[in-house]
Parts: sequence; C-alpha cells; structure tokens
Amino acid sequence: DSGVTQTPKHLITATGQRVTLRCSPRSGDLSVYWYQQSLDQGLQFLIQYYNGEERAKGNILERFSAQQFPDLHSELNLSSLELGDSALYFCASSVVQGAASYEQYFGPGTRLTVT
Amino acid sequence: GQNIDQPTEMTATEGAIVQINCTYQTSGFNGLFWYQQHAGEAPTFLSYNVLDGLEEKGRFSSFLSRSKGYSYLLLKELQMKDSASYLCAEVVTDKLIFGTGTRLQVFP
Repeated sequence: DSGVTQTPKHLITATGQRVTLRCSPRSGDLSVYWYQQSLDQGLQFLIQYYNGEERAKGNILERFSAQQFPDLHSELNLSSLELGDSALYFCASSVVQGAASYEQYFGPGTRLTVT
Repeated sequence: GQNIDQPTEMTATEGAIVQINCTYQTSGFNGLFWYQQHAGEAPTFLSYNVLDGLEEKGRFSSFLSRSKGYSYLLLKELQMKDSASYLCAEVVTDKLIFGTGTRLQVFP
C-alpha cells in the first residue's frame, strides 16, 4: 500500500459525459501527478500540482482539467468523454516539487470505461 | 513515451538472470527511474540513477551511462513473481516520461 488513495476504483460511463476522479496523496506529500495509461501506450504524464498550484503540464487534452485543493487532495475532471478516453488513470504523489530525484508513489488507479 | 526505447517483451526461466535495456534521449536529462508494474496494478519504484554506474539493490541492479543515453535493469535469481512489466522512465527537465514498458514473463 503506497498510501495514495484514488476513488472510484472503476467507472463506466457513456460518450459525451463528464466524470471526476479523486486522489488523496500520501500524508506529507505536496506534489500530485496524474497519468493516463491506455492498453497500447505507456504511462502518459498529464499534469502536476504542487501545494495547490499547477507545476507542470504534459499532453493533457483541453477537455481534461485538474485542481488541487487546500487539503492537498486532487481531482481530475474529464469532460465530453470519447471512447478513446477509456484507460487506467493513476495519481502519484511525492514530497518534493520537482519530478527529479524522488520517487513517486502511485495510487491503485481508476479504470475508466467509456461506452 | 517518444523519448524512451525498450523491448516490448522478454521471456526468461526461473532462477536465471535477465537484462532489460532502455535507451533515452539525453537532452534535458535529469535522472532515470525503473518501476515495476504487475498487470492492472500501480507501478512501484525499483531504482533511481542520476550518475553513471551500477546501483545494486538485492536481486535488482540498475546501470546508467549518461554519455550513451543508456540504462539497463538487471534481475538475478528470477522468481515467478517477477513476471511483470518493467517501466523505464526519464526525468526530462521536471517531468517524468515513461517508456511503454517491457513485459517480462518468467517460466518455471
């Protein structure tokens, strides 16, 4: 158990809908990262927050957005869902601001299925 | 991960040694991680290299050559539970860029 929690574990929804994925980082970690993992692709970095502020952005679609709240939990919002958005979405946390040097602790993931 | 190249699949026998190679783009390099991921589960940290050389940690070792943009993960005394995907991940500036992973199957 990494100490990172994600809810829900599974989510099935229809195209065009909007969903919110939730992540609580390890106690004391200020950075939260979001990743998408599709069947035929590796982990794709989406976005990072540090202590409530957006810190780095990857290939995140405009239909996707995220935020980190004062209690440090984070939410990833996915809207106008398409079939291709079906994937495992992982949240990770680390204690430091940057991605270098320190390992990231991954949550169990949310499996999103868009039908 | 467009920066990272690693084999898609490998097979090995229980008790053997296997080496998983990874090449990466050197521009903006700021460290290299190896993660293990069992199917449907979260990646877990194995190793981190930022300087050239070999880092040994039990049955697992990781090597880095910054001038060659090359790393490998060495797994010794393979066990059935080592069947998993092994993800090479490069820190580029301040982002962690993952390769597509190498799926290792260990046979009895």
